[in-house]
Amino acid sequence: ILNVEQSPQSLHVQEGDSTNFTCSFPSSNFYALHWYRWETAKSPEALFVMTLNGDEKKKGRISATLNTKEGYSYLYIKGSQPEDSATYLCAFRSGGYQKVTFGTGTKLQVIP
Amino acid sequence: EAQVTQNPRYLITVTGKKLTVTCSQNMNHEYMSWYRQDPGLGLRQIYYSMNVEVTDKGDVPEGYKVSRKEKRNFPLILESPSPNQTSLYFCASSKQMSSYNSPLHFGNGTRLTVT
Repeated sequence: ILNVEQSPQSLHVQEGDSTNFTCSFPSSNFYALHWYRWETAKSPEALFVMTLNGDEKKKGRISATLNTKEGYSYLYIKGSQPEDSATYLCAFRSGGYQKVTFGTGTKLQVIP
Repeated sequence: EAQVTQNPRYLITVTGKKLTVTCSQNMNHEYMSWYRQDPGLGLRQIYYSMNVEVTDKGDVPEGYKVSRKEKRNFPLILESPSPNQTSLYFCASSKQMSSYNSPLHFGNGTRLTVT
């Protein structure tokens, strides 16, 4: 079983603060790295799919970077809002395999 | 509307009583997969399917069966459920996984309790 780790496990920030989380994954045999946003009582929704070393993706106030050589990805949220409160999951795909391995997630709570 | 539909949303059953959780997608996706979510453990893959009649084990397949007779459907079968299968289950689908830009699309989840 591949090891995909996310940190921190949980995070409380004030509205307006910027924050970031980390996803660590095996640096060998990389294929793709996914980020998902999972709100309580809903299902996970894709934010980004990242495939190339050095990739940077952005959607509104949320952005992500990818370093495949060292095996990590950062997710940034600029100016956090209460509606950003959710669990953020990363998922790793290795080359040649069709399995998608998820990290345990970072639970973000934005305090108004 | 493009979606992945799981049924039922909630299910309470007793040990040993066979059950099926259905999953259907209307996006013509080749890839489908089942996950279970347990506190502190993240989403763990149970089974996946690359296409019709092609299925393979994920990380936690014990106690589960799947079938893929049609492209749109991927039911999860628990032949003899046990309390350790109490969990939140998600079905997900994607375009062909060789298209590495494809994200997973998730169903709404099924909360299963086995007493």
